[in-house]
Amino acid sequence: SQQGEEDPQALSIQEGENATMNCSYKTSINNLQWYRQNSGRGLVHLILIRSNEREKHSGRLRVTLDTSKKSSSLLITASRAADTASYFCATGKGAQKLVFGQGTRLTINP
Amino acid sequence: GAVVSQHPSRVICKSGTSVKIECRSLDFQATTMFWYRQFPKQSLMLMATSNEGSKATYEQGVEKDKFLINHASLTLSTLTVTSAHPEDSSFYICSARNRLAGQETQYFGPGTRLLVL
Repeated sequence: SQQGEEDPQALSIQEGENATMNCSYKTSINNLQWYRQNSGRGLVHLILIRSNEREKHSGRLRVTLDTSKKSSSLLITASRAADTASYFCATGKGAQKLVFGQGTRLTINP
Repeated sequence: GAVVSQHPSRVICKSGTSVKIECRSLDFQATTMFWYRQFPKQSLMLMATSNEGSKATYEQGVEKDKFLINHASLTLSTLTVTSAHPEDSSFYICSARNRLAGQETQYFGPGTRLLVL
């Protein structure tokens, strides 16, 4: 079953603005991962944050994790048209399967 | 590194035929591969976990006799959709875990779009 819930379901912003997407989950986790999917393509791994970490950066990406609230956020700064895609969070526990959220469809308007 | 390929990328078939989709890890060995299905504008739904040398583990509601999975080597897993029907039309994506790297990250293939007429 899908335990991740993401909001917003869709987000449309102007190029150059920051985009923030949120993910909530229900059970305990070892890690939370964010993936990007361009239309009709496979998933690209963006970043993994472990349950003992609170924040992680990778280029223009910033991920936070609040295990007490069972939530995570993905911030994309200085957005570009090429960032237009669907973004999914996925929770993992050890070597077990990933459970994906419903995703956020992000549109960057030039 | 960590490239996963799928073949074919797109397939159109008649109702009642069987379709085989291959998932290969090109530059690493994968003891575990995963098969997902994704309907338009929806998330990925895990169908089954494929372990090299053993039977696949299917998620609840997924018919193992309809979706045959074979993981014959550390770099290849196949999904066969038997007697395909229009409702099986979907985007099928595989992923693989690197045996030698951490067990946390999955590397995804580019997906296979199946259209059953």
